[in-house]
Amino acid sequence: DAGVIQSPRHEVTEMGQEVTLRCKPISGHNSLFWYRQTMMRGLELLIYFNNNVPIDDSGMPEDRFSAKMPNASFSTLKIQPSEPRDSAVYFCASTTGARETQYFGPGTRLLVL
Amino acid sequence: EDKVVQSPLSLVVHEGDTVTLNCSYEVTNFRSLLWYKQEKKAPTFLFMLTSSGIEKKSGRLSSILDKKELFSILNITATQTGDSAVYLCAVINFGNEKLTFGTGTRLTIIP
Repeated sequence: DAGVIQSPRHEVTEMGQEVTLRCKPISGHNSLFWYRQTMMRGLELLIYFNNNVPIDDSGMPEDRFSAKMPNASFSTLKIQPSEPRDSAVYFCASTTGARETQYFGPGTRLLVL
Repeated sequence: EDKVVQSPLSLVVHEGDTVTLNCSYEVTNFRSLLWYKQEKKAPTFLFMLTSSGIEKKSGRLSSILDKKELFSILNITATQTGDSAVYLCAVINFGNEKLTFGTGTRLTIIP
């Protein structure tokens, strides 16, 4: 199994631009999590899906952030418009059943200038 | 709000030393505490602890949980340069299924 796949791996963009991060969970996993990691705040859960349905989006910072999971094998996290304070590493993780055994993707390193 | 605090924030030791990393937590309806190792990329799972006093061990790494005092420790003996990483502690509770992470301890092993 290829593990959790994220793209792009790095993105540099200008303030105000739309950013779309993509995630392909491990096949058969029915839960998907989006995290953001910064030096100041560590790893924070943004949103998670169970069977493609958003369960808890209380971690989404503001309306500029949105996430979708149109099917079991694909999810997107969109930031529109992006701001410099959105610069971080964004991780996607997936699991089946036990929430403890989440498998993390390699992350997308986002820099907003 | 669930809270996880790790200490120290950063630790630099010589190869061969033993280190102890700390994690304290405040969480409602505690279910499990987890330790992750993060090198350059994604966190990788080390241990899951649910019961007090039972040590989990994997090679030179071991961890134990104290649910009365609300903390856990991660021990690494005979450290090697490959142990250099950020070690993350997280808790999960019943109900909301979320992992709440601490900010991590950055461990650097000097040859």
